[in-house]
Amino acid sequence: GQQLNQSPQSMFIQEGEDVSMNCTSSSIFNTWLWYKQDPGEGPVLLIALYKAGELTSNGRLTAQFGITRKDSFLNISASIPSDVGIYFCAGEPSSGNTGKLIFGQGTTLQVKP
Amino acid sequence: DAGITQSPRHKVTETGTPVTLRCHQTENHRYMYWYRQDPGHGLRLIHYSYGVKDTDKGEVSDGYSVSRSKTEDFLLTLESATSSQTSVYFCAISDTGKGGNTIYFGEGSWLTVV
Repeated sequence: GQQLNQSPQSMFIQEGEDVSMNCTSSSIFNTWLWYKQDPGEGPVLLIALYKAGELTSNGRLTAQFGITRKDSFLNISASIPSDVGIYFCAGEPSSGNTGKLIFGQGTTLQVKP
Repeated sequence: DAGITQSPRHKVTETGTPVTLRCHQTENHRYMYWYRQDPGHGLRLIHYSYGVKDTDKGEVSDGYSVSRSKTEDFLLTLESATSSQTSVYFCAISDTGKGGNTIYFGEGSWLTVV
């Protein structure tokens, strides 16, 4: 099935550093969603974006809905050890309104104290 | 917290036996989904529902059936479990009240077919 191109696949950073990850698609999306998943748990919604150009923050997290509607990025500032986990982007294609999402493959983040 | 409860959370079953996973939501959302998550494949949609008794197939629906007799419950059934159905299963709901479809996931059901 269709997937989003999410990069990087993994990151190993020092505590306090900023992190950036992004997702791109060849299709236009209505909605971009960013999730974090810890081992043994379900994905937890971090940020939801609904309009092209929208920039939204949630604490140390900032995400943007690309102007072309084909991409989105997530930034984490001043990383801390509890930021460790897998981050997923997901998008709802503009061709439907059923909430059926297409997912990126995930970015695995490791933070060294 | 989107009020989603999955049961059972963990199950081991034998090949060929039927298995039913239950998803219960408390907030009257219209859309509900079942996904499976596997290494190398990410999250894939199995089936979804857009109302009571209204369901449709997702990307990987073979070997699975669903039922939704009440708004709050969405059941996923493996008619005859196979080892390839060993996976983590996530239920999700769509909240449409925030400018678009916002999808929230349950905590997952870990299924092992031996």
